[in-house]
Amino acid sequence: DQQVKQNSPSLSVQEGRISILNCDYTNSMFDYFLWYKKYPAEGPTFLISISSIKDKNEDGRFTVFLNKSAKHLSLHIVPSQPGDSAVYFCAASANSGTYKYIFGTGTRLKVLA
Amino acid sequence: NAGVTQTPKFQVLKTGQSMTLQCAQDMNHEYMSWYRQDPGMGLRLIHYSVGAGITDQGEVPNGYNVSRSTTEDFPLRLLSAAPSQTSVYFCASSIGSSISGNTIYFGEGSWLTVV
Repeated sequence: DQQVKQNSPSLSVQEGRISILNCDYTNSMFDYFLWYKKYPAEGPTFLISISSIKDKNEDGRFTVFLNKSAKHLSLHIVPSQPGDSAVYFCAASANSGTYKYIFGTGTRLKVLA
Repeated sequence: NAGVTQTPKFQVLKTGQSMTLQCAQDMNHEYMSWYRQDPGMGLRLIHYSVGAGITDQGEVPNGYNVSRSTTEDFPLRLLSAAPSQTSVYFCASSIGSSISGNTIYFGEGSWLTVV
């Protein structure tokens, strides 16, 4: 049973527009969430995080929204750039982010120039 | 600025062979973990450690062994390699002790093929 789901395997967006990547989770004990970006042949790199005590966190072009009642989070990238083309993973932890993260299956974002 | 270092980067094994993937971090992180990435499956947790001498199983531990004798090192052993273990393996670490949430830092990956 997959506890963290990214139901869109891929997404294409025009440069300059908004990219919205979605993530759903089933475990109500999850209280800390991360987003990672991964380029081919590289390790995942951290993008942004959010704690369950918040519903929004912003960092430059990246904003993560958390809807606890729906067990849903989303990553917004505005404006999207060709360099944002990568696979994006969301991850969740039930230990205030201390350890043991469960990752989603990833969404491949392609930003078209 | 080493961070998390994994070796080897590429390896081909024959079925039944054993090998160890090495992982070292120089950030004095308490928490270390191993993930495997397979197409359509995302990153799945194999084993993790919350400190030297302490390890526990993740989502997909079968066929793998770990130990944590020092804070810096967390090797992953394949006891008898099987084609199903063909994958990309990522080692990761984080501070682990903060109650405010932790960022996980990943190594660059080890590509393993079992034939």
